[in-house]
Amino acid sequence: DTGVSQDPRHKITKRGQNVTFRCDPISEHNRLYWYRQTLGQGPEFLTYFQNEAQLEKSRLLSDRFSAERPKGSFSTLEIQRTEQGDSAMYLCASSPLGSNTEAFFGQGTRLTVV
Amino acid sequence: AQSVTQLDSQVPVFEEAPVELRCNYSSSVSVYLFWYVQYPNQGLQLLLKYLSGSTLVKGINGFEAEFNKSQTSFHLRKPSVHISDTAEYFCAVSDTNYGGSQGNLIFGKGTKLSVKP
Repeated sequence: DTGVSQDPRHKITKRGQNVTFRCDPISEHNRLYWYRQTLGQGPEFLTYFQNEAQLEKSRLLSDRFSAERPKGSFSTLEIQRTEQGDSAMYLCASSPLGSNTEAFFGQGTRLTVV
Repeated sequence: AQSVTQLDSQVPVFEEAPVELRCNYSSSVSVYLFWYVQYPNQGLQLLLKYLSGSTLVKGINGFEAEFNKSQTSFHLRKPSVHISDTAEYFCAVSDTNYGGSQGNLIFGKGTKLSVKP
C-alpha cells in the first residue's frame, strides 16, 4: 500500500476560478478527513467522512467549499470562486474504523491563488 | 472548546544536544494527545501518541513525551538530536469521546526545530 495519495501536489489558479482536489485513502480505511494548513499555522480540521457519509463539517468550510466521497473510497474537495485567502496546503488523512485507530496523512495539495 | 498551545515557534539546537518542545492543552474532558512531524513540503507523520496508561510515551526516531494531567502538558523530548531531525513538530489533541477515531484533531501552531552542526 502506498499510503494516502493526493492529487495534484501543487495547483496555481487565478482568483475566481474553481479548483478540485482528489484524495485516495489507504484501501479499506472507512474514515477520511480533510484539513487546511495555512502558512505558519497548524492544520485545521475541515470535514470528516465515514464511508460515504459526511458526518462533520467545520465552520471553516464556507459555502464555496464542498467535499464528496460518493462511493466511500476516494474523496474530492472543491473550492468555487477561489479567493487569495484560500491559498494553503490541503491535507487529507484516513483511518480504519475502531477505537484507538491512527490517522495517516497524505502529502497534501498546495494551492496558490493569484 | 479544546485548544493546543506550543510555547516556542522556533527552537535552534546544536547536533547531539538534548531538546524539549513544549505543548500545553486546554480541555475539560479526557483527551488523546499526539505529536506529529512535518518535513518540508510533506504531510504529517505520527511520532507518538498518548491514549491511556503510562504517562511516558516512547515514539519513533528516539523521541518521547510525558503526559502531565495536572499541568495539562505533553512535552516532547529527545536526549540527542541529529541534523535529520530538522523539521516542524505539531502537538495535537482529540476528544476521547469522538467515536474512537483519532483523525479529528486540534493542532497547535507548530514548533520549527533547527538542528545545527
